[in-house]
Amino acid sequence: DGGITQSPKYLFRKEGQNVTLSCEQNLNHDAMYWYRQDPGQGLRLIYYSQIVNDFQKGDIAEGYSVSREKKESFPLTVTSAQKNPTAFYLCASSMTGTSYEQYFGPGTRLTVT
Amino acid sequence: AQSVTQLGSHVSVSEGALVLLRCNYSSSVPPYLFWYVQYPNQGLQLLLKYTTGATLVKGINGFEAEFKKSETSFHLTKPSAHMSDAAEYFCAVSGFNAGNNRKLIWGLGTSLAVNP
Repeated sequence: DGGITQSPKYLFRKEGQNVTLSCEQNLNHDAMYWYRQDPGQGLRLIYYSQIVNDFQKGDIAEGYSVSREKKESFPLTVTSAQKNPTAFYLCASSMTGTSYEQYFGPGTRLTVT
Repeated sequence: AQSVTQLGSHVSVSEGALVLLRCNYSSSVPPYLFWYVQYPNQGLQLLLKYTTGATLVKGINGFEAEFKKSETSFHLTKPSAHMSDAAEYFCAVSGFNAGNNRKLIWGLGTSLAVNP
């Protein structure tokens, strides 16, 4: 089965700790994305990557970092510099050169106390 | 610049009634339009999309949407609501970012409640 996996489903951290969220896809998609979702605010783009070893900041990149060393993987690190990290994080992927619809993973709910 | 407006953050219908979720967009280029559904604590699932061709598009779970260029709208409908349709629905338009790469611009979502 092709798809996107995110792990873990729920993550708890203490304030001041960095945490890395995993995202893996076996759809052979070129592009991958990280979104943050808060109630009533829709989806906000954190980072995206169109190709291996390259990524760009989205609308709310401050306090986050990513890497794209493999086509299949796009991990997101939430650093201690992120002022309000508690949120639902969604990873997505898409093929380039098509209609660009995105396919989503199941999400990771991060709670920082 | 592209933008998406979903009218009504909360919509409530009775089971068996018509579902109508409204989406208006602005785009300086021919748009690609999408509707996604999200169930609680899950990722988003593509319901349907419009790229080119027929303006009435059919999706999964009995949903359909009509692209109306003159009205810049892409409203989502379903003739008869089921309890299982209760979810959050997002409209999106495919636009371009500063690097001239395609990206999706999202509406804020509409929460659909279905009453027995």
